[in-house]
Amino acid sequence: IAGITQAPTSQILAAGRRMTLRCTQDMRHNAMYWYRQDLGLGLRLIHYSNTAGTTGKGEVPDGYSVSRANTDDFPLTLASAVPSQTSVYFCASSDSTGGNEQFFGPGTRLTVL
Amino acid sequence: GQNIDQPTEMTATEGAIVQINCTYQTSGFNGLFWYQQHAGEAPTFLSYNVLDGLEEKGRFSSFLSRSKGYSYLLLKELQMKDSASYLCAVLDSNYQLIWGAGTKLIIKP
Repeated sequence: IAGITQAPTSQILAAGRRMTLRCTQDMRHNAMYWYRQDLGLGLRLIHYSNTAGTTGKGEVPDGYSVSRANTDDFPLTLASAVPSQTSVYFCASSDSTGGNEQFFGPGTRLTVL
Repeated sequence: GQNIDQPTEMTATEGAIVQINCTYQTSGFNGLFWYQQHAGEAPTFLSYNVLDGLEEKGRFSSFLSRSKGYSYLLLKELQMKDSASYLCAVLDSNYQLIWGAGTKLIIKP
């Protein structure tokens, strides 16, 4: 693994189904983030984690949950998907929560029907 | 509320210079980032400004005025590969990034 990876690359999901988006980084970064990107809108923060074992809510957390059991992994779960969760999801990491650049994964394109 | 404004789309000619502006109103300020995002790809870091002034990095420069809540990204000697969206983001008082919607830059030969 080099950098930050996400899986799956894309997914079509029926409404009401549960889905987990995976994110793994090998840079030993403390902080990790989940964003969604929708056409015409800026990236919006869903959840974040400043360090392993802690998580926090971002701007649009409803309908999503996260966990941070270790430094490398930060999965995002949609408990019961709805069509408004159709989006491109990006996972990112940074060395700290200060002025350090965030490194982004390649994204997951999710369609909820 | 928090707000980041940047033009939706700009067009420029190969070899020319283009300036992409960003104005912001946020709760606190801990720096401003510019990212580049090619269509269908992830954003990649271009620059970070926390103090007023101009930061130059090759063909790209970024300027910040904290008193005016204003930044710009200057791209010189434009190349076709510079066709992308350019995202402005501000690190607020909670150290969370607030993102603009991005400026789509179209380069014409």
